[in-house]
Amino acid sequence: NAGVMQNPRHLVRRRGQEARLRCSPMKGHSHVYWYRQLPEEGLKFMVYLQKENIIDESGMPKERFSAEFPKEGPSILRIQQVVRGDSAAYFCASSPASVPDTQYFGPGTRLTVL
Amino acid sequence: AQKITQTQPGMFVQEKEAVTLDCTYDTSDPSYGLFWYKQPSSGEMIFLIYQGSYDQQNATEGRYSLNFQKARKSANLVISASQLGDSAMYFCAMREAYSGAGSYQLTFGKGTKLSVIP
Repeated sequence: NAGVMQNPRHLVRRRGQEARLRCSPMKGHSHVYWYRQLPEEGLKFMVYLQKENIIDESGMPKERFSAEFPKEGPSILRIQQVVRGDSAAYFCASSPASVPDTQYFGPGTRLTVL
Repeated sequence: AQKITQTQPGMFVQEKEAVTLDCTYDTSDPSYGLFWYKQPSSGEMIFLIYQGSYDQQNATEGRYSLNFQKARKSANLVISASQLGDSAMYFCAMREAYSGAGSYQLTFGKGTKLSVIP
C-alpha cells in the first residue's frame, strides 16, 4: 500500500521560471493539504483541497501560487515566476474522507531557486 | 500570539535515558487535536502520536507518550529509552475544530532538535 508520493524530490529553478510540484495521495484518500517549510522553521499550511475543489486557501500567497486537485491525476502546486524566497521544502499530506484530520505526509519536494 | 510554542531549540539526551520535549498551545476551541511529528535529517515527516482534547487518558505509542495537561495547555512528548535513531527534529502541531472553512489544517511549532549521545 503505497504512501503519499511527491515528485520531483528535488527541483532547481532559476528566478522567473515556473515550478510544478506533484502530489499523489494515498489510495482512497480524497483530501490533500499542502504545507511549506522554510529553512529552520516548522511547516506552514498553504491550501486544502478535495477532488476538483479548493476548500481552504487561506495560507496561499495571493500572487504566483495556485493549486489544483483534478478528478483524475495528482494534485499540483504551481509557482509562477519563482523568486529566491520561494526556496523551501513543500510537503503534501493526504487524509481519507472518513478521518479527515489524520494526515499522512509525503517525503516533500525541495525547491531551490537560483 | 503563537499558537504552538516549543521553547527548546535543541536538546541532548544520553542513549537509553528518557527525554521530555515541551509544547504549549493556545486555542479557544473546545475541540482540538494535538500531534507530534519526527523529521529526521532525510526530511520526511513521520507521525508519532495524537491526543484529542476530550481524551481522558494520555496517549501512548510504544516508547512515545504524550503528557497532556489541559489546564496548562501543554502537550509534552516523552521518549523513553532513547536510541541513536531518535536524533531528529521534533514538531508539535495542533488541529483546531474551526480553522477556516471546514479545514483540518495543522499549525506547527518551530521544532526541537534532539541529539542522542552514545
